[in-house]
Amino acid sequence: KAGVTQTPRYLIKTRGQQVTLSCSPISGHRSVSWYQQTPGQGLQFLFEYFSETQRNKGNFPGRFSGRQFSNSRSEMNVSTLELGDSALYLCASSPTLRTASPYEQYFGPGTRLTVT
Amino acid sequence: AQSVAQPEDQVNVAEGNPLTVKCTYSVSGNPYLFWYVQYPNRGLQFLLKYITGDNLVKGSYGFEAEFNKSQTSFHLKKPSALVSDSALYFCAVRGALTGGGNKLTFGTGTQLKVEL
Repeated sequence: KAGVTQTPRYLIKTRGQQVTLSCSPISGHRSVSWYQQTPGQGLQFLFEYFSETQRNKGNFPGRFSGRQFSNSRSEMNVSTLELGDSALYLCASSPTLRTASPYEQYFGPGTRLTVT
Repeated sequence: AQSVAQPEDQVNVAEGNPLTVKCTYSVSGNPYLFWYVQYPNRGLQFLLKYITGDNLVKGSYGFEAEFNKSQTSFHLKKPSALVSDSALYFCAVRGALTGGGNKLTFGTGTQLKVEL
């Protein structure tokens, strides 16, 4: 099976712009979670989508949003970018409970966002 | 609220020696515990998990972890370290009673350095 894919891998944006990141989960996985990784704050949970519905949300401002499509692919959007949004954004997908490996999350390689 | 503590920023060990990476957690109810490894410029790779059952969990690449409920710990261990084990290791937790959500809370990470 192909792993979790994220596009683009690298992105450079200017303050005030907006950005959209994409994540394609492992085939058959319906849960997609997003995390932000920075040297200062570590790994922080952004949100989780399951069957096109947001199931969990972390403590991030409303500038961070996401959605999931019927094929389980997910996008996250950050509007009005700030310098502090520079980070590695990781996407993870999870199988349903009725599988051999429930609860595990499989991570993509991430999108490195640099805001200048 | 759930939290994870990894008290050591870095662990140094000689190749062939046993290694331990420490993790303690706090969560309401029963914990689901995970270890992930991250190599430079890569996403997180799943190593092992504790959901229920035996306190000693075996995972990928010869790693194992011991769940200790009384000490709220989930230390990662390997009997004989390899130079190729050098990487950043993350412990993560989620509560069993999260309504089916997959929100993980990560520790700050421990850099493992295995030297010849």
